[in-house]
Parts: sequence; structure tokens; C-alpha cells
Amino acid sequence: QIHLQEAGPGLVKTSETLSLTCSVSGYSISTGYYWGWVRRSPGRGLQWIGSVFHRGTSYYNPSLKSRVALSVDTTKNQFSLRLTSVTAADTAVYYCARLSYDRRGSFWFDSWGQGTQVTASS
Amino acid sequence: QSVLTQPPSMSGAPGQRVTISCTGSSSDIGAGYDVHWYQLLPGTAPKLLIFGNNNRPSGVPARFSGSKSGTSASLAITGLQSEDEAYYYCQSFDSNLGGVFGGGTKLTVL
Repeated sequence: QIHLQEAGPGLVKTSETLSLTCSVSGYSISTGYYWGWVRRSPGRGLQWIGSVFHRGTSYYNPSLKSRVALSVDTTKNQFSLRLTSVTAADTAVYYCARLSYDRRGSFWFDSWGQGTQVTASS
Repeated sequence: QSVLTQPPSMSGAPGQRVTISCTGSSSDIGAGYDVHWYQLLPGTAPKLLIFGNNNRPSGVPARFSGSKSGTSASLAITGLQSEDEAYYYCQSFDSNLGGVFGGGTKLTVL
């Protein structure tokens, strides 16, 4: 049974960088699948942030692409999110998840972490 | 503001059937991309309910079903139960935007 758990600071100062890590148990990241991040905020609902393959290939939401970087550490069975120059609009619950893909390149999230609240404030 | 449109709230009595709609466009659902549905309960990990328009992962009750037609999709819940009270989100794909979600529907069991 796969389990994902987010970790990181709950408070980030505006203009600084948000960093979160997702620890995966019950499945080896290096086996395959894409891994990604989704956030949920009151005003926007759910928003896909980006996805990364265990070999490093990544895809990002165009609206966040200039500020986001995802990475994978297969030795720790973890993957990470960095979001730079945060503003109050980045305040949200951040979820990590495993993605399944179909032949057209479309994807869905088949397993999720519980989420972690991140507040951006000066 | 969300790419896909869902009703913000719905309600139903125990035992009833409710249907949550999800409307997209020719860029996402209408382009032939599949629709997936998630259930969000407070304090718990979101749960995949339906993938590929109408497929249930193992462990999801048969009371939950999905359908898709044209630029829209629907999630139907039959035999409504109190534990079904949650937020429900649809999700699809846009070749320019990537993964896109609906704004979410809060389902209240009366």
C-alpha cells in the first residue's frame, strides 16, 4: 500500500522560496510513474502545479512555470517542490501525489498525501 | 476561475441519487481527454473515485459512477450515505495547460 507524506515549513515569508518534500513508502519511485504536486486554496479550488518522472523529466503548469522546480531523490525515495518569489496568492494546502498516464499524455492522480498547509505572509 | 465548471454545492437525502456535472470546452473534455473524479474529506488524503471517465479503482463502491459526453461529464452517486458528504472535483487535461480541475462541488447529505 503506497503512502505519501508531505513535509516542509507551514509559514513562508513573501518574496522567499517555498520548499516541500514528499516522502513515499510502499513503492519505489525509481520503478516508474510520474510524481506531482497539487494545491488547494479557497479562491481557486485545486490547481495542478507540476509533475516529474523519476529520471528527471518534468512538466509544469504554464502559470507557475517561471517559479517552479521539481526534483527527485531516488536514494531517499522522495521528490521535492521549490516555488520561488511567493506571494499571498500561494497560500494553500499543498498535496503530493502519484500520477498515472494514458497513451495521449493525459494523466490523473491515483494516490495522494494528506496535504500540508502553507501560508505566505510578510 | 477554474477551467472546468462544477456547481458549487449540491445536497440530497440519504438513499437518494445525486449527479454532479462538470463542463469543459473543446480544448479539454471536448478534445477527447478523459475525465477523473476525486473526493476530498477534511483532514484526509484526497481519494480517486473515477478514472478514465467511468472506471472505479478497487475499493470504490459501485454506488459511484461516471460518464462523459461531448464537452461535459457527470459523477453519479446512488444510495447517498452520510459519509458521502464531502467535496468532489473533476479533472481533465488540456494540451496547453496540462492538468485542469473543476472548482469543486460541496455535497451535503441532509
